[in-house]
Amino acid sequence: AQSVTQPDARVTVSEGASLQLRCKYSYSGTPYLFWYVQYPRQGLQLLLKYYSGDPVVQGVNGFEAEFSKSNSSFHLRKASVHWSDSAVYFCVLSCDTNAYKVIFGKGTHLHVLP
Amino acid sequence: EAAVTQSPRNKVAVTGGKVTLSCNQTNNHNNMYWYRQDTGHGLRLIHYSYGAGSTEKGDIPDGYKASRPSQENFSLILELATPSQTSVYFCASGELGGHQDTQYFGPGTRLLVL
Repeated sequence: AQSVTQPDARVTVSEGASLQLRCKYSYSGTPYLFWYVQYPRQGLQLLLKYYSGDPVVQGVNGFEAEFSKSNSSFHLRKASVHWSDSAVYFCVLSCDTNAYKVIFGKGTHLHVLP
Repeated sequence: EAAVTQSPRNKVAVTGGKVTLSCNQTNNHNNMYWYRQDTGHGLRLIHYSYGAGSTEKGDIPDGYKASRPSQENFSLILELATPSQTSVYFCASGELGGHQDTQYFGPGTRLLVL
């Protein structure tokens, strides 16, 4: 069965520090992977997405993610976080065999200390 | 930019009552989705639609109906609300549908069923 695991429910970092949010997926087919961000009391917004090609994809606001087929991972990174990055981050898997099958991870709450 | 609005933003309902959540998008997207967000579950798909007049069951459709009377509007209907349906509901639209689609989310509706 397909699944997405975000092993860290909460992450706290200081402003200016680097960041990695982890995402592991389970799927035997071709994965389409997304990171969305949810700011307090708002809907989700797309940060970046990966279909194929270069395993490192760039997103908005300095975020990037690296796809690893061997590790079944799609970790999100940022070199230097800002307090405004505090939000909930969702890793999302879309399955190539079912166009409307979208699986959300449970999310990681990021708290950036000013 | 994509614009998805939801109404009401907050709703208190009584057990056994009927609740209608409305969603409007001005992007002319064919595909629309209803999710619920609960702590520890991420987002889960309730119903989706390919276009006006179509509705399809998602992963957790029991207790919910959907209606897509036009390209712009997609409603979620709880005929007999129960406390277990207390949640935050998100509507989203997508242009392409399918596994490569970016979804644009509304701000959410907080529903409390007493």
